[in-house]
Amino acid sequence: DAKTTQPNSMESNEEEPVHLPCNHSTISGTDYIHWYRQLPSQGPEYVIHGLTSNVNNRMASLAIAEDRKSSTLILHRATLRDAAVYYCIRTTSGTYKYIFGTGTRLKVLA
Amino acid sequence: DTEVTQTPKHLVMGMTNKKSLKCEQHMGHRAMYWYKQKAKKPPELMFVYSYEKLSINESVPSRFSPECPNSSLLNLHLHALQPEDSALYLCASSQGTPYSGNTIYFGEGSWLTVV
Repeated sequence: DAKTTQPNSMESNEEEPVHLPCNHSTISGTDYIHWYRQLPSQGPEYVIHGLTSNVNNRMASLAIAEDRKSSTLILHRATLRDAAVYYCIRTTSGTYKYIFGTGTRLKVLA
Repeated sequence: DTEVTQTPKHLVMGMTNKKSLKCEQHMGHRAMYWYKQKAKKPPELMFVYSYEKLSINESVPSRFSPECPNSSLLNLHLHALQPEDSALYLCASSQGTPYSGNTIYFGEGSWLTVV
């Protein structure tokens, strides 16, 4: 069974870095790792994705373990607006399916 | 413009009613999706349309009936729903398959309450 697991919740102080972990131990070599976040009463919003190499964009960085069994989403300076549920997602080869992780609720403290 | 528009934002319907949820995207995406999300849970895939043809039906009860009139529009027809069908219904689209690295873009959702 393909499982993607994340901690239920995390807290961070404002303007400090946040590292959100994800375990996807059954990932195959061609499955992408995507991260989305969902603010209250909104649809999921794309954050970043990658395959093997670490990735950076204006929102975040994605660090992928060498064996690809885990990844970490890095928010460099958390703001109050970053408080959301963060989903780690893996794709599945040959299908349109996203395998959603359990989600981490991030709380940012002022 | 990476926007998926869903209407209505809120819908309350009785168990004998027939209603529809609508979704529109103008990004030229060829795949469109319906997801269902219950409180404090991740979204669950219901249907996928690829090039206007139904590609995936995740064993969804027949009281949910999807329709893709053209490449920009996706509807979800609702009939004889149960209270447990109350949830956030999310529409999404992507240029191609996620396993090729394509990103799925989600709408803001339609909140459905069945009374």
